[in-house]
Amino acid sequence: GIQVEQSPPDLILQEGANSTLRCNFSDSVNNLQWFHQNPWGQLINLFYIPSGTKQNGRLSATTVATERYSLLYISSSQTTDSGVYFCAVVRRGSNYKLTFGKGTLLTVNP
Amino acid sequence: DTGVSQDPRHKITKRGQNVTFRCDPISEHNRLYWYRQTLGQGPEFLTYFQNEAQLEKSRLLSDRFSAERPKGSFSTLEIQRTEQGDSAMYLCASSPPRGNNEQFFGPGTRLTVL
Repeated sequence: GIQVEQSPPDLILQEGANSTLRCNFSDSVNNLQWFHQNPWGQLINLFYIPSGTKQNGRLSATTVATERYSLLYISSSQTTDSGVYFCAVVRRGSNYKLTFGKGTLLTVNP
Repeated sequence: DTGVSQDPRHKITKRGQNVTFRCDPISEHNRLYWYRQTLGQGPEFLTYFQNEAQLEKSRLLSDRFSAERPKGSFSTLEIQRTEQGDSAMYLCASSPPRGNNEQFFGPGTRLTVL
């Protein structure tokens, strides 16, 4: 199956700092999503981004499908940004199932 | 428009008991998915429905697990003869019939098997 690797596994920031999270995947994809998992376990959709660049407030994401990676940028981080960020992909030709990475645990300190 | 809902949110059971979870997808979403997440890991795919048809099952879904979506709306996931290794968060997601395949997740059911 497709492999999804996220880096770094853990990241600690001071409030106001910027960060970049990376997602590498091992095969062609036709779906890539970024999620934020809150402390109660709910997965919050951040971006649907199989290719290109999108921005939503302080967050933006870029996927370079030909090079099989995606980046999530968080600017001016806030304590509420803390949590686990997951990248998930659907391998091209598969039946819509998402394969998740292990996530990046982000801690933003005040 | 309400999101994906799951019931119950938490379930504590004793080893050997049967449990059933329910998922209500976003209305008009014809695709429904079940995933399982253990501590420190990302969610793993269990099974996928398109309308009432179960189109794919992971090998993680042993014969103690069964999922149904009888009328193409809500879905149930049953675990028979639960084992301690079944303790996990069970997540349900849905996606629309047309356009992209963006999946939206429910709040999950956290199962603890004692």
